[in-house]
Amino acid sequence: DTEVTQTPKHLVMGMTNKKSLKCEQHMGHRAMYWYKQKAKKPPELMFVYSYEKLSINESVPSRFSPECPNSSLLNLHLHALQPEDSALYLCASSYKALGGEGLETQYFGPGTRLLVL
Amino acid sequence: KQEVTQIPAALSVPEGENLVLNCSFTDSAIYNLQWFRQDPGKGLTSLLLIQSSQREQTSGRLNASLDKSSGRSTLYIAASQPGDSATYLCAVKFQTGANNLFFGTGTRLTVIP
Repeated sequence: DTEVTQTPKHLVMGMTNKKSLKCEQHMGHRAMYWYKQKAKKPPELMFVYSYEKLSINESVPSRFSPECPNSSLLNLHLHALQPEDSALYLCASSYKALGGEGLETQYFGPGTRLLVL
Repeated sequence: KQEVTQIPAALSVPEGENLVLNCSFTDSAIYNLQWFRQDPGKGLTSLLLIQSSQREQTSGRLNASLDKSSGRSTLYIAASQPGDSATYLCAVKFQTGANNLFFGTGTRLTVIP
């Protein structure tokens, strides 16, 4: 299984809603990532989990709250979002965790397209 | 400052042509460079990964080269097909910094039948 899955595919939410994005991989990867991608822009890193612990938070607002319940799952909890948070949210994983050289191809999921009204 | 740049931003070619996409990066101290393909509204598909010790990697009609000293990589696509139409992103893992990929802004390729 060389796949990263993400649910839901699409999400529309109001600014007062609470929702969660889910990501799953069964490749035994020890690093998992959340990226945000606006239209016609490259992905921007939000968070990195290494061995189920948060290792990088790229100054992301607290209305985004990541969670890694186990080595295969990564969640992104959303609360009180703003319309400018509308974007494609991509999850990725790689075998190798932080640092070093190695064959750590990042595998990406299909993304969740989020619209905040 | 570590940056990755891709030129041109968009490219249109007739079917069957060979083409080259360019990627440049500001710091030659890299671990690896990865080329991705992204279809509109979709996730990224990894095409090729080149380690810093390698000069090129090949997969089917794709060939990626790496010249660390000049901070450049190229993705060569042979005999282009309409199905190759997508945005192509290069991403660099620099030796300084954590396990982050720095992405270029991408080249949007259209192959005209």
